[in-house]
Amino acid sequence: AAGVIQSPRHLIKEKRETATLKCYPIPRHDTVYWYQQGPGQDPQFLISFYEKMQSDKGSIPDRFSAQQFSDYHSELNMSSLELGDSALYFCASRDQADPADTQYFGPGTRLTVL
Amino acid sequence: AQSVSQHNHHVILSEAASLELGCNYSYGGTVNLFWYVQYPGQHLQLLLKYFSGDPLVKGIKGFEAEFIKSKFSFNLRKPSVQWSDTAEYFCAVTPGAAGNKLTFGGGTRVLVKP
Repeated sequence: AAGVIQSPRHLIKEKRETATLKCYPIPRHDTVYWYQQGPGQDPQFLISFYEKMQSDKGSIPDRFSAQQFSDYHSELNMSSLELGDSALYFCASRDQADPADTQYFGPGTRLTVL
Repeated sequence: AQSVSQHNHHVILSEAASLELGCNYSYGGTVNLFWYVQYPGQHLQLLLKYFSGDPLVKGIKGFEAEFIKSKFSFNLRKPSVQWSDTAEYFCAVTPGAAGNKLTFGGGTRVLVKP
């Protein structure tokens, strides 16, 4: 079965640079979530989109922005990167019609800020 | 806002031992409950979920969990673990009605010694 695809898998950036992370949800999934997992921590919700509209917002810094496109893929744009942004960034997708709210996770993008 | 707590941060046990991981949540309304597993260096994979019906839920790899509404608990169990069960286990909830972001517990690192 098709899974959530994230690219790139690894990214190394310098402080103050920008980064763009991409997420391709499972086909026919219309909702996308972004989570940040710091070293040794549990995933923290950043932001979510349903039908190209932002549906919820968590602890996402103002330096970050995201959007969902007409093909349902999503991009997380990160600017003025800081050392503390180094983390694993997961995207998850969900079918809004699923009564169990099951979210399926991608492999993640490991961002390292030097 | 809902919160999730997992009782143990680290568990070490031998192969064939039984495993039980505690999870409690605080939320006044209906919830959907999940257990995810994260193998070393990998993404989150769904083990099992509960959203309605039989409170005893069976998942993949021989895991099961029991939802006890009166105790706000959703404990994960496996009768006999294998070395390959070494991983980090996350309990998570979403509000049942609105269906949105996952709130994770802090995770439990399980090490199974051969």
